[in-house]
Amino acid sequence: EAGVTQSPTHLIKTRGQQATLRCSPISGHTSVYWYQQALGLGLQFLLWYDEGEERNRGNFPPRFSGRQFPNYSSELNVNALELEDSALYLCASSLGGGGSQPQHFGDGTRLSIL
Amino acid sequence: QKEVEQDPGPLSVPEGAIVSLNCTYSNSAFQYFMWYRQYSRKGPELLMYTYSSGNKEDGRFTAQVDKSSKYISLFIRDSQPSDSATYLCAMSASSNYKLTFGKGTLLTVNP
Repeated sequence: EAGVTQSPTHLIKTRGQQATLRCSPISGHTSVYWYQQALGLGLQFLLWYDEGEERNRGNFPPRFSGRQFPNYSSELNVNALELEDSALYLCASSLGGGGSQPQHFGDGTRLSIL
Repeated sequence: QKEVEQDPGPLSVPEGAIVSLNCTYSNSAFQYFMWYRQYSRKGPELLMYTYSSGNKEDGRFTAQVDKSSKYISLFIRDSQPSDSATYLCAMSASSNYKLTFGKGTLLTVNP
């Protein structure tokens, strides 16, 4: 069974640009979660999508947004990039929204802002 | 006070040692408790998943949850060099489904 896949592996941008990160969940999983892992800050929850709808959002500015497609894949968009956005962005999926379903992670997209 | 506290280490042990990793938390709404292992340049890999208080064993790994003390532990028996990684505790409440993570403990098992 294929795991969670993310693309690209590494993305280099400059301040003010926009970045798009993509995630394909495990087959059969309908929930997708996005997390940011910045140096020294640990993993921070960004967004949760379930059945195409945004269900919950972490403490991040509106320039972080995303969507989930009918095939349950998802993309994360970050507008007006800032230096502090440099981090590993991790996508996770689960069978359905709810604490009763464990989340499985991909290997992330490393976003570097120059 | 942070919601989840985890000693960042680093922790260095000889091969074959018993390793104890711990997290404390402050939010009494947490009901689901997880341990993830993260190798360098990889995503977190789910090791253990438990609900409420109690113990769970899987091979060399044992997870313990004490909700009365708001304290969770992961024990690794007969540690191997391949266990060298960062170990992350994570928790969630049934109401909001996001995971709240500790900052991770860097473990090195020396041959």
